[in-house]
Amino acid sequence: AAGVIQSPRHLIKEKRETATLKCYPIPRHDTVYWYQQGPGQDPQFLISFYEKMQSDKGSIPDRFSAQQFSDYHSELNMSSLELGDSALYFCASSLGDPGFEAFFGQGTRLTVV
Amino acid sequence: QKEVEQDPGPLSVPEGAIVSLNCTYSNSAFQYFMWYRQYSRKGPELLMYTYSSGNKEDGRFTAQVDKSSKYISLFIRDSQPSDSATYLCAMSGADGLTFGKGTHLIIQP
Repeated sequence: AAGVIQSPRHLIKEKRETATLKCYPIPRHDTVYWYQQGPGQDPQFLISFYEKMQSDKGSIPDRFSAQQFSDYHSELNMSSLELGDSALYFCASSLGDPGFEAFFGQGTRLTVV
Repeated sequence: QKEVEQDPGPLSVPEGAIVSLNCTYSNSAFQYFMWYRQYSRKGPELLMYTYSSGNKEDGRFTAQVDKSSKYISLFIRDSQPSDSATYLCAMSGADGLTFGKGTHLIIQP
């Protein structure tokens, strides 16, 4: 069965650079969530989209922005990267908002040097 | 106070033992309750979800929800070394998913 696809899997950037993370939800899922997980931490909610509109906003820095496109894939844009942005970034998708069956991708490991 | 409390462990048990993992929560608006398993460097994998109070069984896993006490549990029977992972409880309400910190479980062969 198709799962949530995230790309790239690994990304290394320098401070003050920008990064774009992509998420392709499970087919027919209309809701996408972004999470940031630091080492030894639980996933922290960043932002979510339902039917291409932002549905909820968590602890997302102003330097980050995201959108959901007409094909329901989503991109997380991160600018002016800081060392503290190094983390695993997970995307999850579900049908409906809030969807109680949220399935996660394998994550993108971002390292800022 | 964090909305969802979960003992981070580590919890170490011998192979074959019954494992009990628990979370408490404070937000009575949570409607759906989920357990995720996360192996190192991997995305959380949905194990079970429940909506109402009571038990839900799936193979060796049983999820239990007590809404009156704001307490959920995940039981693993006949635990295997491959069950060694971090188990995260998650709860869904109007504001999306809220996770516990996760319990690191170690099954000793």
